Amino acid sequence: DQQVKQNSPSLSVQEGRISILNCDYTNSMFDYFLWYKKYPAEGPTFLISISSIKDKNEDGRFTVFLNKSAKHLSLHIVPSQPGDSAVYFCAASVVIQGAQKLVFGQGTRLTINP
Amino acid sequence: DTGVSQDPRHKITKRGQNVTFRCDPISEHNRLYWYRQTLGQGPEFLTYFQNEAQLEKSRLLSDRFSAERPKGSFSTLEIQRTEQGDSAMYLCASSRGGTLNTGELFFGEGSRLTVL
Repeated sequence: DQQVKQNSPSLSVQEGRISILNCDYTNSMFDYFLWYKKYPAEGPTFLISISSIKDKNEDGRFTVFLNKSAKHLSLHIVPSQPGDSAVYFCAASVVIQGAQKLVFGQGTRLTINP
Repeated sequence: DTGVSQDPRHKITKRGQNVTFRCDPISEHNRLYWYRQTLGQGPEFLTYFQNEAQLEKSRLLSDRFSAERPKGSFSTLEIQRTEQGDSAMYLCASSRGGTLNTGELFFGEGSRLTVL
């Protein structure tokens, strides 16, 4: 039962253009949504998050949009830079029996072409 | 460096052997998590500690897996009688609990297990 889905395994974008990464979820109990970035041979690093009561959060070049009715969120990166090339994971936070944990999507590999 | 540290970074073992991974969380974090990541997948939750108490275990964690966090500081994850299907990256993460917790976890660099 995949509660968080990233349907695009990979995405290629020209440097300077906008990168849009998408994520869908099924569980209405998720209270926060997060995006993590992962380089090879490193652990995931936190990028940006959004509360389930918000519809947009912006941090520099990164903006996350949440559409609760569609159970969909997206990460916009503009302008895209070569250093943004990495695997991006969407994650959702849920508290179950007093334990808070993150549920991750499968990831999208973003490649920024010069 | 005061981040989450994991040891060893890479372990190669033969099927049937036991392996143990260690995780040292960020010192002021009372929550510690173990996740497993296989190729092409996102991290999958294995288990969670709040201080020294293990509060949840995933059904992914078979009887061959055991995790401990004595004294609420570092944690160990032991896999007994390893199988080739155990080959994966084992990720440790920590966080500080609280009412304003957004769920953000701080991950270590992971321990990659290869079972031959």
